[in-house]
Amino acid sequence: EAGVTQFPSHSVIEKGQTVTLRCDPISGHDNLYWYRRVMGKEIKFLLHFVKESKQDESGMPNNRFLAERTGGTYSTLKVQPAELEDSGVYFCASSLGLNQPQHFGDGTRLSIL
Amino acid sequence: GEDVEQSLFLSVREGDSSVINCTYTDSSSTYLYWYKQEPGAGLQLLTYIFSNMDMKQDQRLTVLLNKKDKHLSLRIADTQTGDSAIYFCAVRSYNTDKLIFGTGTRLQVFP
Repeated sequence: EAGVTQFPSHSVIEKGQTVTLRCDPISGHDNLYWYRRVMGKEIKFLLHFVKESKQDESGMPNNRFLAERTGGTYSTLKVQPAELEDSGVYFCASSLGLNQPQHFGDGTRLSIL
Repeated sequence: GEDVEQSLFLSVREGDSSVINCTYTDSSSTYLYWYKQEPGAGLQLLTYIFSNMDMKQDQRLTVLLNKKDKHLSLRIADTQTGDSAIYFCAVRSYNTDKLIFGTGTRLQVFP
């Protein structure tokens, strides 16, 4: 069974540009989560999808971040325009159901220059 | 808000036991997790414990939960060089599905 996959593994862009991160959850997992770790700090929750609906987006830092999960399968996280403080590692996770363990992908390392 | 704390570093000799500690503030935490991150890799779920349990053992891993003191620990028996990694403690509250992570403990195993 394939795990959670994220693309790209590393992205380097200039401040002001747009970047889109993609996450493919484990097949059959309705719950999908985005987290990020910036500047060596704690891993912080961004948002949670149940199928295509946003269940909890309380961790989204501002309106430069847009997450979508059309069709309830893969998800994208767009940052537009990117700022220097957005640099970090963005993790995606999925789970079979609520209160089930979350399985993480390898993350996308985002570098803003 | 919820807070999860861990010590930053731990160094042990190969073959010894490692104990990684974690404290949390949210008394309504239901599930508590340990994740491992090897260099360049993602977060690997190691084990987890439900809040109504005191202990869980899985091969070389033992998780102890002191709910009164809000203290969680992960013991690795017979630590090997392959156990060198960052270990994250994470907790989930009963009314939310998001995880609150600690800063991670870097475990270094030397021969």
